[in-house]
Amino acid sequence: GAVVSQHPSWVICKSGTSVKIECRSLDFQATTMFWYRQFPKQSLMLMATSNEGSKATYEQGVEKDKFLINHASLTLSTLTVTSAHPEDSSFYICSAPLGLAGYNEQFFGPGTRLTVL
Amino acid sequence: GNSVTQMEGPVTLSEEAFLTINCTYTATGYPSLFWYVQYPGEGLQLLLKATKADDKGSNKGFEATYRKETTSFHLEKGSVQVSDSAVYFCALSDYSGGGNKLTFGTGTQLKVEL
Repeated sequence: GAVVSQHPSWVICKSGTSVKIECRSLDFQATTMFWYRQFPKQSLMLMATSNEGSKATYEQGVEKDKFLINHASLTLSTLTVTSAHPEDSSFYICSAPLGLAGYNEQFFGPGTRLTVL
Repeated sequence: GNSVTQMEGPVTLSEEAFLTINCTYTATGYPSLFWYVQYPGEGLQLLLKATKADDKGSNKGFEATYRKETTSFHLEKGSVQVSDSAVYFCALSDYSGGGNKLTFGTGTQLKVEL
């Protein structure tokens, strides 16, 4: 099956710094990628839809200036958490659908654990 | 808006026991329904899906039937194995506005013991 990778797998940073997380589709192209946030023992919450060559679409309540998304190529989307604070500590997961139709399978990255001290 | 409700875990079973994980949904249209599985240390993987009412998705001995009348998509397996220990997520796909937006349930952890 298709593979999606994320880098780094975990990161610890100081409060006030920015952290960039990469999401790559390794063997297929993705015009759209999704970024989720998962809290312990809770569901995945969709943060934003990353669109190749255009602006990301953010879900209600997600600060676009806080979570910068760039989808510069058909295989790479990045999420930058700017001026991170302890409340941003979470597990961030990306996914990419194979194909355009809504019922196609989405492939998920292994996630990135962010801890802000 | 759309929502997915699934039973809380953890669910602990003995090997070869019968498994049911309940999932119900609320959606404005006609969503596709999915079960994803997350093994320890790995990303989510699609386990099975159903795209319309009365469809049955099946994979690796797991199955779930899309029940529009009860808005349910319960996951079942006749005989679980230790290797099935994982977190299972029920999800629906909303096509409103285009795209593949997924709405997830909270996940149910399954522990299978010898």
